[in-house]
Amino acid sequence: EIVMTQSPATLSVSPGERATLSCRASQSVSSNLAWYQQKPGQAPRLLIYGASTRATGIPARFSGSGSGTEFTLTISSLQSEDFAVYYCQQYNNWPFPLTFGGGTKVEIK
Amino acid sequence: EVQLVESGGGLVQPGGSLRLSCAASGFTFSSYWMSWVRQAPGKGLEWVANIKQDGSEKYYVDSVKGRFTISRDNAKNSLYLQMNSLRAEDTAVYYCARADCSGGSCYSSYWGQGTLVTVSS
Repeated sequence: EIVMTQSPATLSVSPGERATLSCRASQSVSSNLAWYQQKPGQAPRLLIYGASTRATGIPARFSGSGSGTEFTLTISSLQSEDFAVYYCQQYNNWPFPLTFGGGTKVEIK
Repeated sequence: EVQLVESGGGLVQPGGSLRLSCAASGFTFSSYWMSWVRQAPGKGLEWVANIKQDGSEKYYVDSVKGRFTISRDNAKNSLYLQMNSLRAEDTAVYYCARADCSGGSCYSSYWGQGTLVTVSS
């Protein structure tokens, strides 16, 4: 099973600042990496797929990069609505098993 | 507009059974792989099961193999998860999700709002 490790577990950022979230895979997942945002009491929302492609309706301040085992989600200028938990997921082994990282909570500094 | 609406969650005793449903609308249900993903209280996301468009292929996380069964009814635009021999560690919000594919690999593009399953005596 591919293990996904996200860091940091919590990121404290001021509104308007840049946030950089990391995700590492225990073995190569090529570009088969997605990022999701989850707010309290809500379902996850797809932000990025294919490591760097924004999903429909996702603002340009969200960007993804990386391939192989190292990936980054960058939020260029944090807005109040961006404070949430972010998960990465590898789907290189489709259709199974799919694995998520443990999440990074982005909180207001 | 794509909509996924789960139902069927609730409180069940250890060893009991529950059947979750997911009603899909706003897209051609029979054209997509579908998935169940769960989230234990205060914890992260865990993929549970996938099912192919025609139901001919099904895959499960090891912890639910032999106890859970994913199925679908394309005529009713519905996805199901039959959960038997439930354990306390199955307590979670269960989400159904549509899988969109690129180059043979698929990610969860749309998610329902989830249904809570609580296993407790």
